[in-house]
Amino acid sequence: DAGVIQSPRHEVTEMGQEVTLRCKPISGHDYLFWYRQTMMRGLELLIYFNNNVPIDDSGMPEDRFSAKMPNASFSTLKIQPSEPRDSAVYFCASSLRGQWSEQFFGPGTRLTVL
Amino acid sequence: AQKVTQAQTEISVVEKEDVTLDCVYETRDTTYYLFWYKQPPSGELVFLIRRNSFDEQNEISGRYSWNFQKSTSSFNFTITASQVVDSAVYFCALSAAGGTSYGKLTFGQGTILTVHP
Repeated sequence: DAGVIQSPRHEVTEMGQEVTLRCKPISGHDYLFWYRQTMMRGLELLIYFNNNVPIDDSGMPEDRFSAKMPNASFSTLKIQPSEPRDSAVYFCASSLRGQWSEQFFGPGTRLTVL
Repeated sequence: AQKVTQAQTEISVVEKEDVTLDCVYETRDTTYYLFWYKQPPSGELVFLIRRNSFDEQNEISGRYSWNFQKSTSSFNFTITASQVVDSAVYFCALSAAGGTSYGKLTFGQGTILTVHP
């Protein structure tokens, strides 16, 4: 089976531009998580979904960030407008039973905002 | 609130040495899960182990072993006879059942392990 798929793998954009990160979870997994990894803050949970419904978005930094999950096989994380401090690696992960089971991570999207 | 502390920021060993990575956690919940993940230089996060709060048995998987002690809130990870391929960042993580932490995985800051040939 394919693992979690993320695209693009690398994104370089200029400040003020809109950025959309995409994720396809493992088929059958009910939970989907978005994380951000930076040197300063480590791995931070941004938002997670259960059965396509956002459960907790308290980690989303500000209104410039939004996430959607229109169906069980696709999610997006959008940043509009992007800022240099948004530069990070963004990971998507999915799991079968939420906190009770291991999360499988995608390869990440390395975002650079100039 | 829950917290995971990995006191060792970086560890450097020579191949074939044993190495232990420390993890101390904090939670008010009685039901929780602990995890270890590996992040090799390629960048992806790889699941290594999950342990629930009711199971304090130590576990061994090949060269890897884990020591869970509720009395000291620790979940340490030992690599026996380390190899160069073990070089990676290792994360300890906690997921608890209660309150606003429900469903969330809280990661430690990670320990960078470098194994020299």
